[in-house]
Amino acid sequence: QSVLTQPPSASGTPGQRVTISCSGSSSNIGSNYVYWYQQLPGTAPKLLIYRNNQRPSGVPDRFSGSKSGTSASLAISGLRSEDEADYYCAAWDDSLSGLLFGGGTKLTVL
Amino acid sequence: EVQLLESGGGLVQPGGSLRLSCAASGFTFSSYAMSWVRQAPGKGLEWVSAISGSGGSTYYADSVKGRFTISRDNSKNTLYLQMNSLRAEDTAVYYCAKDLSMVYAIRSLGFDYWGQGTLVTVSS
Repeated sequence: QSVLTQPPSASGTPGQRVTISCSGSSSNIGSNYVYWYQQLPGTAPKLLIYRNNQRPSGVPDRFSGSKSGTSASLAISGLRSEDEADYYCAAWDDSLSGLLFGGGTKLTVL
Repeated sequence: EVQLLESGGGLVQPGGSLRLSCAASGFTFSSYAMSWVRQAPGKGLEWVSAISGSGGSTYYADSVKGRFTISRDNSKNTLYLQMNSLRAEDTAVYYCAKDLSMVYAIRSLGFDYWGQGTLVTVSS
């Protein structure tokens, strides 16, 4: 069971805006950066958001990240069929001295 | 172009050992922390271990502490994971991943490049 809690699934129709939450604690999200990864079926994960809200070059601005207290969110606007993937949040945990991943959220584009 | 190429996976019996390698190219290998992340079949991502660019600092998930050893050879641009006392629950695809920042800060660990993964199966 992950210490970073994500909803197991989310869905939306093309063009919609969806958000995926990631809930943690003071020892992880509350005191460290949050990262988001996208994993398309059968492929390695891809960095989507780093340091809470920064987008690597090449990632569309439809993807945005935010953090407040011990929770973080990934928002995807203008949903497209190719966004159908698994999404993971991650943050360092000071108590565990290790990196935590959320359990992952499977996004379905209806 | 950054490339990470894992090798060394395969089938091993419980209690056995395996050594994974990750050959890196396209960046100054010694300047970046590296990690191993695994994914059991049909499951989510699990961070396994990290090592600083110099190799002087290492970190492990509790699930592998005392059994796995991460190391690197900066002269060969290669990352390693020695896995001993393997268990069925270690069965997974193992990815090597590069830290995005040249400024080493373990609490800011994030991965901008990943390898394609190598499958480790622990079974009798």
